[in-house]
Amino acid sequence: DAGVIQSPRHEVTEMGQEVTLRCKPISGHNSLFWYRQTMMRGLELLIYFNNNVPIDDSGMPEDRFSAKMPNASFSTLKIQPSEPRDSAVYFCASRSTGGLGEQFFGPGTRLTVL
Amino acid sequence: DAKTTQPPSMDCAEGRAANLPCNHSTISGNEYVYWYRQIHSQGPQYIIHGLKNNETNEMASLIITEDRKSSTLILPHATLRDTAVYYCIVNTGTASKLTFGTGTRLQVTL
Repeated sequence: DAGVIQSPRHEVTEMGQEVTLRCKPISGHNSLFWYRQTMMRGLELLIYFNNNVPIDDSGMPEDRFSAKMPNASFSTLKIQPSEPRDSAVYFCASRSTGGLGEQFFGPGTRLTVL
Repeated sequence: DAKTTQPPSMDCAEGRAANLPCNHSTISGNEYVYWYRQIHSQGPQYIIHGLKNNETNEMASLIITEDRKSSTLILPHATLRDTAVYYCIVNTGTASKLTFGTGTRLQVTL
């Protein structure tokens, strides 16, 4: 298995632009998580899905952030409009139904908003 | 989820055992202890987890005290590639949210 796949690996954009991050979970995993990591705040959970349904989005910082999971093999995290303080590494992770909390993380997307 | 306390940093000589402690004095009876690590510029990687008994896998051993208020992750023969930030997390297992603290930065040296 290729593991969790994220794209792009690096994104540089200007303030005000829309940014879309993509994630393909491990096949057969039914839970998907989006995390954000910054030096100041560490690793934070933004939102997670079970069976393509958003369960907890309390970590989403504000309305500029949105996430979708249209099917079991794809999810997006969108920021519109982007701001410099959104600069961070965004990780996607997935977990299988039978897993006891073990999450498999992707390589991350490093976002820089100028 | 119970709060965990870890030392901010530790050093270990290559080839020696690395013992990383974690305090979780408020752990509940149904909460597991999980360990993840994050090597620089990579996503976190699951290492091991346990409930009451000590556990061992190909990566590490997990020793949990009888009262479950603390645990130790043991890397039996640390290598330079084990240099990373190690996170101790307690969680019910079925709960999805992993709360990462600041972890322990392990530096393995020659």
